[in-house]
Amino acid sequence: EVQLVESGGGLVQPGGSLRLSCAASGFTFSTYSMNWVRQAPGKGLEWVSYISSSSNTIYYADSVKGRFTISRDKAKNSLYLQMNSLRAEDTAVYYCARGGDLYDHWGQGTLVTVSS
Amino acid sequence: EIVLTQSPATLSLSPGESATLSCRASQSISTYLAWYQQKPGQAPRLLIYDASNRATGIPARFSGSGSGTDFTLTISSLESEDSAIYYCQQRSNWPPLTFGGGTKVEIK
Repeated sequence: EVQLVESGGGLVQPGGSLRLSCAASGFTFSTYSMNWVRQAPGKGLEWVSYISSSSNTIYYADSVKGRFTISRDKAKNSLYLQMNSLRAEDTAVYYCARGGDLYDHWGQGTLVTVSS
Repeated sequence: EIVLTQSPATLSLSPGESATLSCRASQSISTYLAWYQQKPGQAPRLLIYDASNRATGIPARFSGSGSGTDFTLTISSLESEDSAIYYCQQRSNWPPLTFGGGTKVEIK
């Protein structure tokens, strides 16, 4: 069974940093592209970042470019999102999602709250 | 950036009725459109990909159609468990991958 389990969310002050993790199991992690998608409270879905299976190709939404860094560790079957210079508008549930441009499995999400 | 506009914002229907949800793209996306269902407190679930293909395990009462700029998700014979927000998503021209604003389906 495919499982994606996010962790690392929490309350952080504006300007602070946080690192999200997504532990993958039940499939060959190294062969799949992965993404982060977020959802602000009561709002819709917003794609955040993409990383190819080999980590050779990485994309970011303009709203996070220069502040967030996506990465993956094949040995640990894990996906990461390093978030720096956090703003109030980054407050959201962050989901990791399997796939390149189509997301067939999602984690349960981890809540990031940016507030003083 | 391709903008997806969903309508209506909310749909309130009775069990057994059919729901028709619309998604319009700001430019042609061929058939590179997917639909997701999100229930309260849950992650989204892939329903339809490439406009009309049901994802694994999705009941036949969910169907998709359209091409170019206009797309439709039809839920026939609504059940109480279909109460959710439905999002469309394009993968024709990215980054960025974009989602529509969602349509909330309420079952009376």
